[in-house]
Amino acid sequence: DAGVIQSPRHEVTEMGQEVTLRCKPISGHDYLFWYRQTMMRGLELLIYFNNNVPIDDSGMPEDRFSAKMPNASFSTLKIQPSEPRDSAVYFCASSADSREQYFGPGTRLTVT
Amino acid sequence: AQSVTQLDSHVSVSEGTPVLLRCNYSSSYSPSLFWYVQHPNKGLQLLLKYTSAATLVKGINGFEAEFKKSETSFHLTKPSAHMSDAAEYFCVVSGTGFQKLVFGTGTRLLVSP
Repeated sequence: DAGVIQSPRHEVTEMGQEVTLRCKPISGHDYLFWYRQTMMRGLELLIYFNNNVPIDDSGMPEDRFSAKMPNASFSTLKIQPSEPRDSAVYFCASSADSREQYFGPGTRLTVT
Repeated sequence: AQSVTQLDSHVSVSEGTPVLLRCNYSSSYSPSLFWYVQHPNKGLQLLLKYTSAATLVKGINGFEAEFKKSETSFHLTKPSAHMSDAAEYFCVVSGTGFQKLVFGTGTRLLVSP
């Protein structure tokens, strides 16, 4: 299995622009998670899905952030408009049993 | 609420010497506990997990951890450090609803020749 796939690996954008991060979970996994990692706040869970349905989005920082999972093999995390404080590494993870999660390589986002 | 405390932000060892990374947890019920490793510019990789079976858990790359309920600890150990072990290590507990993982602040392991 190729593992969790994220794209792009690096994204540099200007403040105010829309950013879309993509994730392909491991085939057969029915849970998908989005995390953000910063030096100041460590690893934070933003949102997670079960069977393509958002279950808990309490970690989404504000309305500028949105996430979708249109099917079992694809999810997006969108930031619109982006701000410099959104600069972080964003990880996607998937799980078959909701406890052991497999992480993707992450997307390093820089907003200037 | 569930939480973990990693007692050391940095640990330095020499190659070939033992590794001890300390973690204490807080949980209102029997927890699931994990150790993840993150190498520079990489994603997180599961080292080992405890889910109420044997209290001594063996993981990959020679790491192991012991669940001690009386001490609310889940320390990570390895008998002999290798240069490739240099990375950030995260102690993790399952949060409420089990799906949510709560991460510690991480311990950076430095291995010198």
